[in-house]
Amino acid sequence: ETGVTQTPRHLVMGMTNKKSLKCEQHLGHNAMYWYKQSAKKPLELMFVYSLEERVENNSVPSRFSPECPNSSHLFLHLHTLQPEDSALYLCASSQVDRAGYTFGSGTRLTVV
Amino acid sequence: GNSVTQMEGPVTLSEEAFLTINCTYTATGYPSLFWYVQYPGEGLQLLLKATKADDKGSNKGFEATYRKETTSFHLEKGSVQVSDSAVYFCALLNAGNNRKLIWGLGTSLAVNP
Repeated sequence: ETGVTQTPRHLVMGMTNKKSLKCEQHLGHNAMYWYKQSAKKPLELMFVYSLEERVENNSVPSRFSPECPNSSHLFLHLHTLQPEDSALYLCASSQVDRAGYTFGSGTRLTVV
Repeated sequence: GNSVTQMEGPVTLSEEAFLTINCTYTATGYPSLFWYVQYPGEGLQLLLKATKADDKGSNKGFEATYRKETTSFHLEKGSVQVSDSAVYFCALLNAGNNRKLIWGLGTSLAVNP
């Protein structure tokens, strides 16, 4: 399998639940990203991992917790989310010294 | 700071019509410029890119030319198809900005048969 794979594709969770989003890339890239895409808003960069080290955290609430156990896998752990956190969460990867990202298909999250 | 401004959508065209989606940018230095496309229910895919002034990126019949004098990177296609219906995002990457992509808001395109 090639490209960037995200699971699950769709997730509905209550505000007290704990869930995790998974992202896997088979491109040999060394940087991975989490983005949030909400209607009528620009894409929001949430976290950046470069060479497995978190290099950016854009003032994201602590109810979102990323984990990057190796260069091929990235997780986003979710707990006590709010309805306004409902959005499409996109994972991307890139080679640090080259332009252009590869995106996954995203996880459509609904918080009820 | 760096920013990208895209024309607002939605854009609705008939099949075989000519497409232009405007994109202008503000940046320090010499950014790379990109167009990404998002088909319904999917993530974003790189459509084309240009890394220096006067470069023309092209793919799948789409073209965009990096115009430094007008700070623009307009997307064009001579004859659109129904399968081109998607959301198109303009973005810039400034090497001095921690290599972070700066995104436009996206322009939705609907092509009718």
